[in-house]
Amino acid sequence: QVQLQESGPGLVTPSQTLSLTCTVSGGSISSSYYYWSWIRQPAGKGLEWIGRIYPNGSTDYNPSLKSRVSISIDTSTNHFSLRLSSLTAADTAVYYCARCSNSWGYFEFRGQGTLVTVSS
Amino acid sequence: DIVMTQSPLSLPVTPGEPASISCRSSQSLLHSNGFNYLNWYLQKPGQSPQLLIYLASTRASGVPDRFSGSGSGTDFTLKISRVEAEDVGVYYCIQVLQTPFTFGPGTTVDIK
Repeated sequence: QVQLQESGPGLVTPSQTLSLTCTVSGGSISSSYYYWSWIRQPAGKGLEWIGRIYPNGSTDYNPSLKSRVSISIDTSTNHFSLRLSSLTAADTAVYYCARCSNSWGYFEFRGQGTLVTVSS
Repeated sequence: DIVMTQSPLSLPVTPGEPASISCRSSQSLLHSNGFNYLNWYLQKPGQSPQLLIYLASTRASGVPDRFSGSGSGTDFTLKISRVEAEDVGVYYCIQVLQTPFTFGPGTTVDIK
């Protein structure tokens, strides 16, 4: 059973850069059947797709964040990462990583998410 | 971007009774391969979202058969044949036809 574990700082200072890691266990991040996404959810609000990365490193980002976001993948250590720059309070949210089926287009949220608070 | 809307936004339900949630997209989600790229999720209180339905009408593994999805193009429906207490939470639809993938605002289902 594939499990995903988000990790990173719980508190980040405004204007700084957030770095989060999603560690994949129980399966290979290199599988051609899947790609990998980041999604976030501000407290009490809805879900926002941030972007995705394929095992070959190809990426797509939400235009609302495109100038500030970068997703990378390390197939040797089975993890992928999110970097979000120029943080403001509006970036405070629970950040989820997810496995996404290439064929059927669904996300699987196999982690608990990690809360990131942007505050001085 | 494709805009997703849901109705109602709040749905009080009675256990044992049916329930229905509508999801509409600003563009057709029907791919040339014949599939509608619309998924449904349930986020129970304090939990991560869990997949219920994908490709508009296919139940995910382990999802009870009281959940069903239907629709095509721009209009979709999630139905619960007989609501159980464990079905409370926020239901989201999401289009995965084109990036950026976009979620509906969510429908909060709670017990009357």
